[in-house]
Amino acid sequence: QVQLVQSGAEVKKPGSSVKVSCQTSGFTFSSYAITWVRQAPGQGLEWMGGVIPIFASPKYAQKFQGRVIITADESKSTAYMDLTTLRSEDTAVYYCAKGDTIFGPVDLWGRGTLVTVSS
Amino acid sequence: QLVLTQSPSASASLGSSVTLTCTLSSGHSGYAVAWHRQQPEKGPRFLMKIDSDGFHTKGVGIPARFSGSSSGAERYLTISNLQSEDEAEYYCQTWGTGIHVVFGGGTKLTVL
Repeated sequence: QVQLVQSGAEVKKPGSSVKVSCQTSGFTFSSYAITWVRQAPGQGLEWMGGVIPIFASPKYAQKFQGRVIITADESKSTAYMDLTTLRSEDTAVYYCAKGDTIFGPVDLWGRGTLVTVSS
Repeated sequence: QLVLTQSPSASASLGSSVTLTCTLSSGHSGYAVAWHRQQPEKGPRFLMKIDSDGFHTKGVGIPARFSGSSSGAERYLTISNLQSEDEAEYYCQTWGTGIHVVFGGGTKLTVL
């Protein structure tokens, strides 16, 4: 069964970092893109970036350049999204999603991870 | 600049059909889009990808009452025989190769 299982909800202080994981199964992890999309409360979807594990060369949306790091551990079929210097506006549900390419449609979504940034 | 425009809301009666529209920004009429459905309090689900010629490829398990088409810079999602579970937010997505990925603002569909 093809699925993406994300880590649990997080509460973080402003200025700290958060790392969200996305464990995959049912497909060849190395050959597909894992992208990260976030959704602030009551808002739409926002693309953050992605990686194809076999190439290990992540791409990021300009807005998040320098603040987000996307990695993939092929031995665990798991992708990670690390967001640093958190601020209240980063409070959102973070989704991982699978696609054929980083810059392309996603065809499977994880269930999302709520990250709350609050002092 | 690559932008997708969607109407904020739409409504249709149970059992009827509705067509949602996603409009590509000027100069980008040749781009494909993907449609995703997000039911209340749930994550998105991929519905289909639609090419500029209207050819569409549906996701796994998406029923035949969902279809797609294109005309110029517009990409359409048509849902026939509306069900209560179709009440959701619908997002379109497009991408520029090696550049970025964008989502439309979403259309909230109400099933009456």
